[in-house]
Amino acid sequence: AQSVTQPDIHITVSEGASLELRCNYSYGATPYLFWYVQSPGQGLQLLLKYFSGDTLVQGIKGFEAEFKRSQSSFNLRKPSVHWSDAAEYFCAVGDGSSNTGKLIFGQGTTLQVKP
Amino acid sequence: SQTIHQWPATLVQPVGSPLSLECTVEGTSNPNLYWYRQAAGRGLQLLFYSVGIGQISSEVPQNLSASRPQDRQFILSSKKLLLSDSGFYLCAWSVYGLRSPLHFGNGTRLTVT
Repeated sequence: AQSVTQPDIHITVSEGASLELRCNYSYGATPYLFWYVQSPGQGLQLLLKYFSGDTLVQGIKGFEAEFKRSQSSFNLRKPSVHWSDAAEYFCAVGDGSSNTGKLIFGQGTTLQVKP
Repeated sequence: SQTIHQWPATLVQPVGSPLSLECTVEGTSNPNLYWYRQAAGRGLQLLFYSVGIGQISSEVPQNLSASRPQDRQFILSSKKLLLSDSGFYLCAWSVYGLRSPLHFGNGTRLTVT
């Protein structure tokens, strides 16, 4: 069965510092992967997605993620964090062989940004 | 462009009362539709999904049901709410048949008292 693990429940970084949020997935075939961001009380906004091809994908708001098949990881990075990046971040994996479009989400990582 | 509307934004209901949450999508046809629930510290749990009118798949046994009376309308219901039904409910849509990202509504905060 597919699963997604985000090992860090809560991360605090200083504004201007670099950020890496970890995501590990379990899936037999080639997955398709997403990162979403959620502000308090809001829905989820898509940051970026990986289907195939270049393993380094660029997203909105200066985020990028790298797919590493050997490590079953899809970590999210940002070189310099802004205070407005404080939010909850979710990694998700989908079944590329199905037309249902279902996604399995990780538990989420809450990012706090110190001034 | 496509938009998704979900209402109400917040709801407080007593135990044993019925529930109806509605979600509609505009600007696309034959979308896949989803209901997720988000409990504090537990991520998002897929409750139901639908690939067409009247086609509902349930992911977890529970006190809730879903219906899709029209192509772009998805309704989450309960006949009698339980305390454990409290949570943040999110509706989402995706393009049918492709590896499409999910697009979420703004959610409904349900508190069962």
